[in-house]
Order: sequence, then structure tokens, then C-alpha cells
Amino acid sequence: DIQMTQSPSSLSASVGDRVTITCRASQSIRTYLNWYQHKPGEAPNLLICAASSLQAGVPSRFSGSGSGTDFTLTISSLQPEDFATYYCQQSYTTPRTFGPGTKVDIK
Amino acid sequence: QVQLQESGPGLVKPSETLSLTCAVSGYSISSGYYWGWIRQSPGKGLEWIGSISYSGNTYYNPSLKSRVTISVDMSKNQFSLKLSSVTAADTAVYYCARHERVEYDSSGYDIWGQGTMVTVSS
Repeated sequence: DIQMTQSPSSLSASVGDRVTITCRASQSIRTYLNWYQHKPGEAPNLLICAASSLQAGVPSRFSGSGSGTDFTLTISSLQPEDFATYYCQQSYTTPRTFGPGTKVDIK
Repeated sequence: QVQLQESGPGLVKPSETLSLTCAVSGYSISSGYYWGWIRQSPGKGLEWIGSISYSGNTYYNPSLKSRVTISVDMSKNQFSLKLSSVTAADTAVYYCARHERVEYDSSGYDIWGQGTMVTVSS
């Protein structure tokens, strides 16, 4: 199985901060990497697919980059509604696997 | 607007079979896409359980394969999950979700159900 890791596991930030989350795959997954935002009691929400393609309706402050094994999700200016847990997920091969998540909370 | 809605018992006894259904509205399952099940155990991350294609081909997580069956009912436009011999470790929120491919998938899970909590307890 392809193992996905994320760093940090949690972070505290203020509104307006620039936030960067890193995701690493145990082997190359090319650009088959997706990012989700998950809030308690809600379904996960797809933010970015194929490493860098912003989903329709997702604010442009979210961006993704990377290929191979190393990927990054950046929130350029953190907003109150962005406090959530963020997961990366590889869709290169089965079993489809998720990272352990990065919880972003208010400083 | 495509919507998914999970349904099924919220409490299942150990050793019994967990059965959930995902009703799809706004899109015909037979038209395409893959339809998957994902779960999140309390305090843990997300785990892919398996998926079924619009043509009925199934793909399972090897860690659960011996206990999982996913099927589709085109007439009701829904798909189902059965997980046998459950234990407390199967307690989780179960989500259904849509995606374009099982492998080499550039789309991710673009539509999700709200999730349903299933507790395994006697």
C-alpha cells in the first residue's frame, strides 16, 4: 500500500496567516493527489484534485502544488471558515489511501 | 444537482453484518462514475472501504476484502455496503462518495454523502 504522511499534524494560526501543509507519499504517485477540507459533523469537501486543480467554487486562496512524492497545500490568507482538518489522498492506485490529517485551529 | 444519502442501522451487534445503502439523486448510476464507501473511526483518519463501477465491477481494500460486499441496484439508483463479522473496530462514520476512476483518478471524491454513524455494540 502507498503510505501517505502529512506535516504538521496540527497547527495554530491566526486569521490572515499564510498556512502551508505538506503531504508525502511513500512512492511516486505522479500528480494523482487530492486535498479535502473536513469540518466536524460535515462530509469532507474536495478542494483540489490532480495536485493543483482547484475545484469549482473553492476560494482562490487555496492552492496546491507538487508531483511525485511531495505535495503542498497552501492557504494564502486564512479565513475564519478555514479552521478544519485537511487530508491529502492518493488516487494513483488501490487501495486508495488518505493522509492522517492536519488540524488547523485558531491561535 | 447530484446528491448522495446514506441510510441504515446506527447500531449493529458484534459478529453481525453491517448493511448500509447510498441513494443517489440527480444522476443515474448507470451513466458512469465509480461509487465508493469510505469510513472514519472515532478519532482516526479516513479509510477507503471499496468502490463499485457503473457496470458493476467491484474493488475492495485488501484489509477488509474478506468481509466486504458492495453491490448496486440500478432500478433504485442506489448502491450498498455489507460488512460482515463486525467488531468494535468497525465503529465509524460511514460515507458514500463518487469518483471517476479507481486508479489513475484525477478527479478525487467530488460528491459525498453526509455520513452515517454506525456503532458496533451488544
